[in-house]
Amino acid sequence: EVQLVQSGAELKKPGESLKISCKASGYSFTNYWIGWVRQMSGKGLEWMGVIYPGDSDTRYSPSFQGQVTISVDKSITTAYLQWSSLKASDTAMYFCARPLTSAWSDGFDVWGQGTLVSVSS
Amino acid sequence: SSELTQDPAVSVALGQTVRITCQGDSLRRYYATWYQQKPGQAPVLVFYGQNNRPSGIPDRFSGSSSGNTASLTITGAQAEDEADYYCKSRDSNSNYGVFGGGTKLTVL
Repeated sequence: EVQLVQSGAELKKPGESLKISCKASGYSFTNYWIGWVRQMSGKGLEWMGVIYPGDSDTRYSPSFQGQVTISVDKSITTAYLQWSSLKASDTAMYFCARPLTSAWSDGFDVWGQGTLVSVSS
Repeated sequence: SSELTQDPAVSVALGQTVRITCQGDSLRRYYATWYQQKPGQAPVLVFYGQNNRPSGIPDRFSGSSSGNTASLTITGAQAEDEADYYCKSRDSNSNYGVFGGGTKLTVL
């Protein structure tokens, strides 16, 4: 079974760093992009970026470029989303997702369960 | 342009047909993908490409595209179809994706 399992909820203070994870299983990890999607409370979905585990090629939305870093560790089939200095406005649910095919822009047919990140002083 | 515009809310009577639309310049070049999201759950892909439904999605969900507008049609809406619906595509000129603002569907 193809699965993406995300790390647990986080409660952090402004200025702290954070790295959340998305563990993939059930398919060839290096052959499919993995994306990250933000959803602030009561708001819509926002496309953040995608990474190709095969060569770490990464695409970011202009809205998130420079604000977050997407990475992978192929040895443990895990993708990451990280912040160097969190802001209160980073409070949101974050989903990882995998496209249907090896094309990064294809529909996301597999989703993680989401990681809730709360940033408050 | 990277914007995709959706109506914030749409309602449909039980068993009737509803069309949810998504407008954007990028849709002249690229197909939209459509997602259903119920409260507290991850989104689910319900339609993609020219005419594709993922396995397990009822055939009452269909999609179409014309010019700068993509549409998701639910023929014979059911109570369980009440959810938020999002379109997604890619920016026309750059390598990144974009979601529409979402449409809240109410089944009356």
